[in-house]
Amino acid sequence: GAVVSQHPSRVICKSGTSVKIECRSLDFQATTMFWYRQFPKQSLMLMATSNEGSKATYEQGVEKDKFLINHASLTLSTLTVTSAHPEDSSFYICSARLDRGPFQDSYEQYFGPGTRLTVT
Amino acid sequence: QKEVEQDPGPLSVPEGAIVSLNCTYSNSAFQYFMWYRQYSRKGPELLMYTYSSGNKEDGRFTAQVDKSSKYISLFIRDSQPSDSATYLCAMSLYSSASKIIFGSGTRLSIRP
Repeated sequence: GAVVSQHPSRVICKSGTSVKIECRSLDFQATTMFWYRQFPKQSLMLMATSNEGSKATYEQGVEKDKFLINHASLTLSTLTVTSAHPEDSSFYICSARLDRGPFQDSYEQYFGPGTRLTVT
Repeated sequence: QKEVEQDPGPLSVPEGAIVSLNCTYSNSAFQYFMWYRQYSRKGPELLMYTYSSGNKEDGRFTAQVDKSSKYISLFIRDSQPSDSATYLCAMSLYSSASKIIFGSGTRLSIRP
């Protein structure tokens, strides 16, 4: 159980175009999902927290108009990279929160397999 | 100074050796400490999860947290070639599902 999928696994797009990445929790409902970016040989950096039915919360330095997040259902969050540029090329990873109980310390976070974006 | 510091390696050890991976951190408010394993071009997989100080053992893996020194460790006993991966330490203030701060990861290679 607790499987998170991402689609596509890799995408190549031209500079100036937009790309949408989907994150799905396959066997549980997730009111909260997270989007991370990972550059080669670097750590995962949290970009934003996505809450079902409300606006995403972006980390400092992340452009909300460039990285559009939509969490329209309890099993799906999407990240759209708008007007992509080569510097947006990265590995994008989502995660979903599984609430096993009512308290914060009973929450668990499961990661998707990632999407490699290359902007040419 | 980064909030979480981790030696990037690479670290290469022979099969069967004991591996020690470490991280230091600066924020004394962190309460939840995690170790993730990440294979190349894959998402991270949770290995160990510890609340506050102490030790936790799971099979060949042992996680240690020393909050007084702001130092966490992961030990792998009887290392196997399949353990070759990047190991990320991570920590958060409230739970494993709140905002997680990751270390940069240590690349580990187990030689057959």
